[in-house]
Amino acid sequence: AQSVSQHNHHVILSEAASLELGCNYSYGGTVNLFWYVQYPGQHLQLLLKYFSGDPLVKGIKGFEAEFIKSKFSFNLRKPSVQWSDTAEYFCAVTRSSGGSYIPTFGRGTSLIVHP
Amino acid sequence: GAGVSQSPSNKVTEKGKDVELRCDPISGHTALYWYRQSLGQGLEFLIYFQGNSAPDKSGLPSDRFSAERTGGSVSTLTIQRTQQEDSAVYLCASRGLEQFFGPGTRLTVL
Repeated sequence: AQSVSQHNHHVILSEAASLELGCNYSYGGTVNLFWYVQYPGQHLQLLLKYFSGDPLVKGIKGFEAEFIKSKFSFNLRKPSVQWSDTAEYFCAVTRSSGGSYIPTFGRGTSLIVHP
Repeated sequence: GAGVSQSPSNKVTEKGKDVELRCDPISGHTALYWYRQSLGQGLEFLIYFQGNSAPDKSGLPSDRFSAERTGGSVSTLTIQRTQQEDSAVYLCASRGLEQFFGPGTRLTVL
């Protein structure tokens, strides 16, 4: 079974700082990768996803993530964070083929951005 | 409505009681998931319904947990003889092209 590791559990930044949240998965086959965000008091929502093609994926609100197959990684980045980016961020993976479409989620990273 | 809805939003119950949590998925979505989110933990998969196929129950933590999906739409997650460790936020999601999450039900077992 696949697993997902998010090594940064808590990140605190000042506005305008750059952000990189780590995500590593453990599955040797072809995968689909996701980042979800949960703003305080709101639903989980999809930030961006990778299925195939260009490994650098652009998402909403200026976020991007890069799939590096050799490192089994899908790190989330943003060049300049804002106070409104304060939220919980979850990385998830599914297998591209075979088996049922059940995402495996990481434990999440809590991001706090100070104004 | 346009999104996934869940009820109740909050549920406080006494240890040993049964609870039912409801999920209304987005109309037309054939896939429905239940997850559990505990403080400081990720999303723990519980059960997955896909169309008329037999549900994938591999994530249910014990036989006190069960779920059904009637008519391919509304789903109910039932927890029997609740324990304090069942306290968590229970999330439902439905999927068309992508997965959409509901607001969750916060369950507190006293």
